[in-house]
Amino acid sequence: AQSVTQLGSHVSVSEGALVLLRCNYSSSVPPYLFWYVQYPNQGLQLLLKYTTGATLVKGINGFEAEFKKSETSFHLTKPSAHMSDAAEYFCAVSLTNFGNEKLTFGTGTRLTIIP
Amino acid sequence: ETGVTQTPRHLVMGMTNKKSLKCEQHLGHNAMYWYKQSAKKPLELMFVYNFKEQTENNSVPSRFSPECPNSSHLFLHLHTLQPEDSALYLCASSQDLGLHTDTQYFGPGTRLTVL
Repeated sequence: AQSVTQLGSHVSVSEGALVLLRCNYSSSVPPYLFWYVQYPNQGLQLLLKYTTGATLVKGINGFEAEFKKSETSFHLTKPSAHMSDAAEYFCAVSLTNFGNEKLTFGTGTRLTIIP
Repeated sequence: ETGVTQTPRHLVMGMTNKKSLKCEQHLGHNAMYWYKQSAKKPLELMFVYNFKEQTENNSVPSRFSPECPNSSHLFLHLHTLQPEDSALYLCASSQDLGLHTDTQYFGPGTRLTVL
């Protein structure tokens, strides 16, 4: 079975500071990993995903994440926070099941940006 | 705008009412999904449809009844719900069921309150 743990349900950073949102997963086989963002009153939007290849993945809005197999982690970072980054962020893992892949989501981290 | 629309955006219903949630995708996708998002809980996959056929029912109570008349439309029929069913119901679509190549696009959700 697969699972996702997001450390910290709420994270606050100052505008211009580094953003670090943590995600650890458990999986018996190599996983596919995703970060989604949810702005207020909106659905989820894909930020980035790791499938195979390069372990450092760049996404939209200046975000990136690094897949570290030894640490079973896929932390999300952004060098400089912007007010528009305030949202809820969800990490998700998927195991391929021959065409019936399912996403398992974490509980989410709400990011607040302090002016 | 993600190309996935949901109506209504908000719904309040009594436990004896019957209502339906509607999802429409304008992306030409073949797979559609219903998720339940409750406070402080991970997103829960409810149903998956691929080419109008249901491929996943994640042990959802029978008071939730999905319908997929074509690849562009997905309904969730609700009857005799319980207060604990109050949540944000998200619809998503993807080109096919292959998550390692396809992104799921989410609608804005329907906020359901059961009194």
